[in-house]
Amino acid sequence: SQKIEQNSEALNIQEGKTATLTCNYTNYSPAYLQWYRQDPGRGPVFLLLIRENEKEKRKERLKVTFDTTLKQSLFHITASQPADSATYLCALDRSSASKIIFGSGTRLSIRP
Amino acid sequence: EAGVTQFPSHSVIEKGQTVTLRCDPISGHDNLYWYRRVMGKEIKFLLHFVKESKQDESGMPNNRFLAERTGGTYSTLKVQPAELEDSGVYFCASSHSSYNSPLHFGNGTRLTVT
Repeated sequence: SQKIEQNSEALNIQEGKTATLTCNYTNYSPAYLQWYRQDPGRGPVFLLLIRENEKEKRKERLKVTFDTTLKQSLFHITASQPADSATYLCALDRSSASKIIFGSGTRLSIRP
Repeated sequence: EAGVTQFPSHSVIEKGQTVTLRCDPISGHDNLYWYRRVMGKEIKFLLHFVKESKQDESGMPNNRFLAERTGGTYSTLKVQPAELEDSGVYFCASSHSSYNSPLHFGNGTRLTVT
């Protein structure tokens, strides 16, 4: 069956370091992949979208890579700040009018 | 633009009762999705509307759940009768396109069935 795994439930890093989160998938061929941020008591907020023919996408301090051979996406936050602390979700879709499915998320904590 | 709004934000009901959740998508978004997170697990897909039509309802758990989207605007999700395992957070999201388009989520309705 289709499965999405995010590397760890929780990740703690020091402020200023680069946070790297992993999303792996199996039995799936997504057309594109999205990353969302979710804060407690709020809905997920869209961050970045990367298509299957793109290797890398950047937005300010965020960078996403997409390796369809490894079936993996990496999400990087450079120069991390305590305000980056949140749960980060990856989501995949296969084609038009298809449901988007989510990983369970990684809870990131940035300590000062 | 106004975001996706959901009502109520919290609901506590007894087993066997009925609850109706409402979602107002972003104006002009034809695509509307319902998801839920149960017991701290991943956010799971329930169904997808394109305008007033159900495009995909493969995630609906059983026939106690009924979703409607009259006129292709707001949507309701009714649970009747509610069971204990229906407790969780129900999220609504909308998007402009059904393909290659980010989802805009509401803040969810936290449903507790006692």
